[in-house]
Amino acid sequence: AQSVTQLGSHVSVSEGALVLLRCNYSSSVPPYLFWYVQYPNQGLQLLLKYTSAATLVKGINGFEAEFKKSETSFHLTKPSAHMSDAAEYFCAVSTQGGSEKLVFGKGTKLTVNP
Amino acid sequence: EPEVTQTPSHQVTQMGQEVILHCVPISNHLYFYWYRQILGQKVEFLVSFYNNEISEKSEIFDDQFSVERPDGSNFTLKIRSTKLEDSAMYFCASSERGTGMNTEAFFGQGTRLTVV
Repeated sequence: AQSVTQLGSHVSVSEGALVLLRCNYSSSVPPYLFWYVQYPNQGLQLLLKYTSAATLVKGINGFEAEFKKSETSFHLTKPSAHMSDAAEYFCAVSTQGGSEKLVFGKGTKLTVNP
Repeated sequence: EPEVTQTPSHQVTQMGQEVILHCVPISNHLYFYWYRQILGQKVEFLVSFYNNEISEKSEIFDDQFSVERPDGSNFTLKIRSTKLEDSAMYFCASSERGTGMNTEAFFGQGTRLTVV
C-alpha cells in the first residue's frame, strides 16, 4: 500500500527566501507523484507531477521537485518565496497501472513573512 | 479554462438527514472521484467512478454512501442518515484517464458539510 509523509505541518519563511517542503513516499511499485496547492477557500490545484520521464520536475509558479528513488523523496522547492505562495501544499502518490486513487499526505501550511 | 464545479459550497444538515452533494466534472473526462478532508486531517479517497460504475472504493465508503451520474454532466454523492463524524470538506475530482495512468486529477473547490 502506498503512503505519503510530509514533514512539518507548518513552514514559515521570509519573502525572498528558499522554500523547501518535504515529502517522502512509500510504494511497492513505481509511483506517480504529485504536488497540489490549496489557497484559502479554494480547491486543490496541481503544481507539478512526476511521471518517470525526468527526475527534476518543473511546475507552475516557479516551483520544482526532485524525485530521489534512493531516498524515496519528492521534496518541493522554490528559490525565492513570494507572499502569494502562502497556502497549504499536499504531496500525493498513485501507482502506475494500479489503483485509481491518490493517497495524500497531511499537508504543509506555508506562511510567507514580509 | 475548464473546471470542476461543486454545489453547494456549504451545507448544514441535521444528524440523521440525507444530503446530496453535486458536482459537474470537466466535460471530456471519463474518471470521477470523491475525496473528503476532515478538519485537520488528510485528504482521503472515497470512491472512483468510471464507465457508469464504481471502479474502486475505500473502507470509508460504506452503505451509507452512494454515487450516481444521473445524466451526462452531473456526478453526485449521497450520504444517507448523516452522522456528526461525516462533517468534512468533500472534494469532487475528474480526470481524462485514471490517475494510475499518469494523469492528473482536477479538483473542485469543495463542499463543506457540517452535521449538527
